[in-house]
Amino acid sequence: DTEVTQTPKHLVMGMTNKKSLKCEQHMGHRAMYWYKQKAKKPPELMFVYSYEKLSINESVPSRFSPECPNSSLLNLHLHALQPEDSALYLCASSQLTSGSNEQFFGPGTRLTVL
Amino acid sequence: SQQGEEDPQALSIQEGENATMNCSYKTSINNLQWYRQNSGRGLVHLILIRSNEREKHSGRLRVTLDTSKKSSSLLITASRAADTASYFCATGYSSASKIIFGSGTRLSIRP
Repeated sequence: DTEVTQTPKHLVMGMTNKKSLKCEQHMGHRAMYWYKQKAKKPPELMFVYSYEKLSINESVPSRFSPECPNSSLLNLHLHALQPEDSALYLCASSQLTSGSNEQFFGPGTRLTVL
Repeated sequence: SQQGEEDPQALSIQEGENATMNCSYKTSINNLQWYRQNSGRGLVHLILIRSNEREKHSGRLRVTLDTSKKSSSLLITASRAADTASYFCATGYSSASKIIFGSGTRLSIRP
C-alpha cells in the first residue's frame, strides 16, 4: 500500500468552530508532514513528526495543533481559524534514513474558513 | 522562505515537443527532487538526484544538477496532454528530513 489518505476532502468552517483533519499511511514511514498550500503557490511546511515526536514546527500559529497518535496517523486540530487560513492542507510521509527522502503526499483537504 | 526559484513560471507547448524547466537554489544541498501536481491535488514524486550526481533519467524525464551553479533542470521529452500540471523542485538536506519547495512551473500541453 503506497497511499496516503486524507479526510475530509473538503471542509468549510466558521471562525469559532473546532475541526480536525486526518491523515493515514501504512507504508511504515516514520516521518509525517503537514503542509499548507495557497493557490498557485508551492507547499509550505508546517510541521514534521519523526518517530511520532514533533521535530519541526515552522512557527505555525497555535490555532493549528498537530497530533501524532501512532506511527500511521497524523491529525491537525483547527480552532479559531481566520479566513486567510483557507488553503489546501497536504499531508505527506517518508522514510527516515540519512538525508532527505522521497515524500508521498495525500490528495489534500480543501479548507474554507468563513 | 522558499529555497528554490523556478523558471519559467508558466510554459505552454505543443504536444510532442520537449519541455524544459529550471530550478535555482541558494545553499548547499544533499539532494534535489522534482514533484508534479495536477490541479489542486496532491504532489507526486518524479525523481531525486543526489548532490554527487550530475544527470539522471527516468522514462521521458531527464534531470541535471550543477552544484557549482546551484541549479537543476527537468526535461520532459515527447510531451503528452497528461503532462499538463505544475512542476516543483524541492531541495533536501542531510541533517533534516524536511525539503523546501521552489516556486513551481505551470506546464500546459496543447493538443
